[in-house]
Amino acid sequence: NAGVMQNPRHLVRRRGQEARLRCSPMKGHSHVYWYRQLPEEGLKFMVYLQKENIIDESGMPKERFSAEFPKEGPSILRIQQVVRGDSAAYFCASSPLGQAEGEKLFFGSGTQLSVL
Amino acid sequence: GESVGLHLPTLSVQEGDNSIINCAYSNSASDYFIWYKQESGKGPQFIIDIRSNMDKRQGQRVTVLLNKTVKHLSLQIAATQPGDSAVYFCADHTGSNDYKLSFGAGTTVTVRA
Repeated sequence: NAGVMQNPRHLVRRRGQEARLRCSPMKGHSHVYWYRQLPEEGLKFMVYLQKENIIDESGMPKERFSAEFPKEGPSILRIQQVVRGDSAAYFCASSPLGQAEGEKLFFGSGTQLSVL
Repeated sequence: GESVGLHLPTLSVQEGDNSIINCAYSNSASDYFIWYKQESGKGPQFIIDIRSNMDKRQGQRVTVLLNKTVKHLSLQIAATQPGDSAVYFCADHTGSNDYKLSFGAGTTVTVRA
C-alpha cells in the first residue's frame, strides 16, 4: 500500500509563472489536507478537501491560490503568478476520515517550491 | 498567533542519554496533541499522541506528558539513538476543528556519537 505520493519533489518557477503541485492520497483515503512549511517554521494549514468538495480553505491565501480534489485523479494545489514569498515546502496529508488522528493521518514527502 | 510552540529550537544529546523536548500551547480548548518527527527532505512522521483526558502516555522508547494546568507537554525519548536525529514538532487541534492541526516551530535534535 503506497503512501501519500506528491510530485514533483522539487519545482522551480520564475516569478509570474504558475505552479501545480499534485498529491495522490493513500488508497482508501478520501480526505486530503495541504500544509505549507516555511524555513525554520512548523507546518501551516492551508486547505482541507474531500472528493469534489472544498471543506475548509481558511488557511489558503484568497488570491492566486486554489485547490481541487476531483472525482478521479490527484488533488492539485495551484499557485498562479508565483512570487518569491511562495517559496516553501508544501505537504499533503490524507486520512480515511475527516479527522487529524495521529495514526490515521499520513503525510507525503512534500514538494519544495523555489521561485527565482 | 500560533497555538503551540517549543521552548528550545535545538537540542544536542549524547547517544544513549534520554532526551526531553518541551512544548507550550496557548489554546485552553486544545484537546488532542501529537508529536511528529521530521527527517530532512521528508514529511512529518507520527510518533505518539495524547488526549486531554490523559496526562501521560507511553510508546516504544517514547513518553508524552501533558500538564493542562500550565498548558505544557513534553516528549521524552529513552536511550537516544543516532536515528533519532530529526526535527520534532508538537501539534494540536480542538474538537471543533479536529481536522486542522496547529504546529509549533520545531526542535532540532542532534545525537552525538
